[in-house]
Amino acid sequence: GAVVSQHPSRVICKSGTSVKIECRSLDFQATTMFWYRQFPKKSLMLMATSNEGSKATYEQGVEKDKFLINHASLTLSTLTVTSAHPEDSSFYICSAEGADRGSLSEQYFGPGTRLTVT
Amino acid sequence: AQSVTQLDSQVPVFEEAPVELRCNYSSSVSVYLFWYVQYPNQGLQLLLKYLSGSTLVKGINGFEAEFNKSQTSFHLRKPSVHISDTAEYFCAVSEGNEKLTFGTGTRLTIIP
Repeated sequence: GAVVSQHPSRVICKSGTSVKIECRSLDFQATTMFWYRQFPKKSLMLMATSNEGSKATYEQGVEKDKFLINHASLTLSTLTVTSAHPEDSSFYICSAEGADRGSLSEQYFGPGTRLTVT
Repeated sequence: AQSVTQLDSQVPVFEEAPVELRCNYSSSVSVYLFWYVQYPNQGLQLLLKYLSGSTLVKGINGFEAEFNKSQTSFHLRKPSVHISDTAEYFCAVSEGNEKLTFGTGTRLTIIP
């Protein structure tokens, strides 16, 4: 149980275009989802926290107008990288926290999406 | 603010030998500590976590970690590694507010 999927696993886009990444909790309802960015040989950096039905909370330094997050249902959150540029190329990982798991819930991670902007 | 340091970026170990992956943290409050493993092309999987109670925590796949408050450490250990343990290992800390702060990871390579 507690499987999180991401789609697509890899995407290449041209500079200036927008890309949408989906994160789904397959067998549980996730009240909270997290979006991370991972640079080569670096740790995961939390970008934002999204709660179902409300606006996402962005970490300091993350442009909310560039990285649009939508958490419209208890099983789906999307991250849209708008007007992507080469410096947005990275590995994006989402995680989901169960709705019934108490005050300190375990995060279940998706397999990640490799974004390359040319 | 909380932070995590994993001093070893790469650790090569012979098969069936013991291994210790180091993790140190800094925080001004009580923390929860985690170890995650990331196999190639897969998402992070929780190995073990320390929330409270016994400082020796046992996890999956034969791994264990010991919380040492005085040394602000949470080192991960396994007495005998297997080829299948080859992966990236991340230590993480939370101050109880759901947000996880990750270390930079340690790549464990098992040598046959």
